[in-house]
Amino acid sequence: EPEVTQTPSHQVTQMGQEVILRCVPISNHLYFYWYRQILGQKVEFLVSFYNNEISEKSEIFDDQFSVERPDGSNFTLKIRSTKLEDSAMYFCAIWDIYPGELFFGEGSRLTVL
Amino acid sequence: DAKTTQPPSMDCAEGRAANLPCNHSTISGNEYVYWYRQIHSQGPQYIIHGLKNNETNEMASLIITEDRKSSTLILPHATLRDTAVYYCIVAYSGGGADGLTFGKGTHLIIQP
Repeated sequence: EPEVTQTPSHQVTQMGQEVILRCVPISNHLYFYWYRQILGQKVEFLVSFYNNEISEKSEIFDDQFSVERPDGSNFTLKIRSTKLEDSAMYFCAIWDIYPGELFFGEGSRLTVL
Repeated sequence: DAKTTQPPSMDCAEGRAANLPCNHSTISGNEYVYWYRQIHSQGPQYIIHGLKNNETNEMASLIITEDRKSSTLILPHATLRDTAVYYCIVAYSGGGADGLTFGKGTHLIIQP
């Protein structure tokens, strides 16, 4: 079973600061994703990443967000200028055609003060 | 992706079978039924999926009605660790460009 490691597990930041969340899959995969879950709400799709570029993004994924896979292993989500409403759990996930299911990391909890 | 309807919450006694229903009356012919669960604030975890036939794995069984408009996830011997939110999702694939769309799911509470 694939492993997806996310760091940090919890980050507290001030509003307006930049945040980078990291995801390290242990091997290469077809698709990479970021999801977020605001406390008490649904798990929401943010973006999918395929062949080193964004494949799809939701309306949540505005200009404040960016993703990259700079060194072929780390997969990062950057929030340029955090807002209070960015406080949430952020989950990285990977997918391959086989076995065909999404594997999620344990999440990074972001708290914006 | 077709929409699904699940009860918001259910209780089940420990050791009994937990049967979680899902309605997906607008499912298309080549859409699969996927089940995931989320324990507390952990990342969602895949349980099982199926197209037409009933499926069973080490975690659960999936029963899909003949008209495919509804399905039931069965946890045969529920334990306290099965307390979680269970998501029923209908999709053409388990991932791809769009990933999966999660609804509110069913909060299953296993009672000791």
